Amino acid sequence: DAKTTQPPSMDCAEGRAANLPCNHSTISGNEYVYWYRQIHSQGPQYIIHGLKNNETNEMASLIITEDRKSSTLILPHATLRDTAVYYCIVRVALGNTPLVFGKGTRLSVIA
Amino acid sequence: NAGVTQTPKFQVLKTGQSMTLQCAQDMNHNSMYWYRQDPGMGLRLIYYSASEGTTDKGEVPNGYNVSRLNKREFSLRLESAAPSQTSVYFCASSERSYNEQFFGPGTRLTVL
Repeated sequence: DAKTTQPPSMDCAEGRAANLPCNHSTISGNEYVYWYRQIHSQGPQYIIHGLKNNETNEMASLIITEDRKSSTLILPHATLRDTAVYYCIVRVALGNTPLVFGKGTRLSVIA
Repeated sequence: NAGVTQTPKFQVLKTGQSMTLQCAQDMNHNSMYWYRQDPGMGLRLIYYSASEGTTDKGEVPNGYNVSRLNKREFSLRLESAAPSQTSVYFCASSERSYNEQFFGPGTRLTVL
């Protein structure tokens, strides 16, 4: 079973920031938070990951709470092409532990 | 670079038929994976290969076999297809098992 809880769906106006929450209250000290997205039946796409510090790349920012029990993925200026299912995954970043996908959050960006 | 490629893109089988789904990557990655995705569901791991010469079961391995033919190629075989195996199959690869995974475009399989 997935170790994360995400809302099933969210809407966001085009050009606004999309803030996608994720709860992972049972996260262990050696587990990272990963975010992937899947655009309309394509293969999933890696977005970002982090351990405890906030992370930013060209696609998004990841904010992890101090107790690491929850996180938020931020798309700073959502576009229609960001409409997708977003998956929050926790996993150990060493060894052979595979990704475990839940049902994710379906983000709809509205013009 | 093509990234991760999968063949075929679409396939229709009759119950009991066999087939092999092919996957290849040109990124010199060590780890490769097979997932399935049923309608409205997240991806579930079938098998993975952490490195050339090794394979391990994932969450839903029953009814499938895999072969890590070489570092580039990882195939998934259905020996006797069943309607419950109707799904979209995704192959993925990563540099190491703990790095981010890169996914192929998927194979849409229907078993009648």
